[in-house]
Amino acid sequence: SQQGEEDPQALSIQEGENATMNCSYKTSINNLQWYRQNSGRGLVHLILIRSNEREKHSGRLRVTLDTSKKSSSLLITASRAADTASYFCATVSTPYGNNRLAFGKGNQVVVIP
Amino acid sequence: GAVVSQHPSWVICKSGTSVKIECRSLDFQATTMFWYRQFPKQSLMLMATSNEGSKATYEQGVEKDKFLINHASLTLSTLTVTSAHPEDSSFYICSAREAGQNQPQHFGDGTRLSIL
Repeated sequence: SQQGEEDPQALSIQEGENATMNCSYKTSINNLQWYRQNSGRGLVHLILIRSNEREKHSGRLRVTLDTSKKSSSLLITASRAADTASYFCATVSTPYGNNRLAFGKGNQVVVIP
Repeated sequence: GAVVSQHPSWVICKSGTSVKIECRSLDFQATTMFWYRQFPKQSLMLMATSNEGSKATYEQGVEKDKFLINHASLTLSTLTVTSAHPEDSSFYICSAREAGQNQPQHFGDGTRLSIL
């Protein structure tokens, strides 16, 4: 089954606004990670939140994790045109071996200058 | 830190050719490397997981004789697409991670493979 499913809507915002994306998953996890992918490029690791953490910050990024609801959110504050990308959440789950990542569908974010 | 280099970035070749893609961790030891395939506007699909010095573990539906993976050292893994056909055209991405709990995967920039 698909782990880490983001809300399917693409997001288009003005520069300076905040962007919020959500992710849900189905089974218990060790950690949840958010990645960014610019068009035609590889993925860039943004932030990792462990299952015993509820919130984490990194620069303009804020990630929350609600294990009771099996969901996570990624907030990008004061967005910039360079934030335009696809954002994926991915989970590492205890039923899986070898720390495999289960990726969600991705969320396209467009920041308009 | 944590740079993964993937080469080549773009390959165009004729049907029947075998293509090798390299994935190197430049500044850390990658005990585990992963190979993904991505179709346009879709998420990443894990193809296989490889640990240094052992055979790769392939996901269901991925032909191991078609996609040969070698992880001979802690900094290098290769994916060889054997006798490639147009349906193998895709974006292939590798990632690598260090040993230990809660270590993220670090991704290469991907390889665009086009089979004519």
